[in-house]
Amino acid sequence: AQSVTQLGSHVSVSEGALVLLRCNYSSSVPPYLFWYVQYPNQGLQLLLKYTTGATLVKGINGFEAEFKKSETSFHLTKPSAHMSDAAEYFCAVNGGYQKVTFGIGTKLQVIP
Amino acid sequence: NAGVTQTPKFQVLKTGQSMTLQCAQDMNHEYMSWYRQDPGMGLRLIHYSVGAGITDQGEVPNGYNVSRSTTEDFPLRLLSAAPSQTSVYFCASSYSTVGELFFGEGSRLTVL
Repeated sequence: AQSVTQLGSHVSVSEGALVLLRCNYSSSVPPYLFWYVQYPNQGLQLLLKYTTGATLVKGINGFEAEFKKSETSFHLTKPSAHMSDAAEYFCAVNGGYQKVTFGIGTKLQVIP
Repeated sequence: NAGVTQTPKFQVLKTGQSMTLQCAQDMNHEYMSWYRQDPGMGLRLIHYSVGAGITDQGEVPNGYNVSRSTTEDFPLRLLSAAPSQTSVYFCASSYSTVGELFFGEGSRLTVL
């Protein structure tokens, strides 16, 4: 069985401040980890992914995430929030054969 | 490229009615899946397919049927709609068992 826990269903940051969205996972096999972003009334789109290799992964729009096996974490960060970053963010784990488990999502609010 | 196309975008049904949500992709992806998105619950896998003629159940399959007669199409059938099936439905596809998912824009279904 696998699971994903996203801490904080709502996160507010000031424009220009650090964005940190937390994700912890459990998986019985080496996981493939993903962050997706969803803008209002749209489907999800990929921000970044970890498959194998380098544990610090860079994605689109200045986001990055670090895979920490010992902490079973894959937290998403961005040094400086922009208004356009306001969206809902989903962490997901793929244990193989596209059996993907998503977290409940974190809505990011950016305050001007 | 159109990517993943879902129709209809909106649908209102009465309890007991049946309908089919259509999903088509033009990326020649072998893997396709259906998710439902409910507030506070993230995305949950309904059914998935690893290729034409092959389907399997996900986390919440009850009340839904699927078939995969071609690589491009993966329709989701509601046999007898219930209010609990009110949700936003997303179709997704991928080029591999562990690759990222490409999502459609969603279909919002209301069952009265």
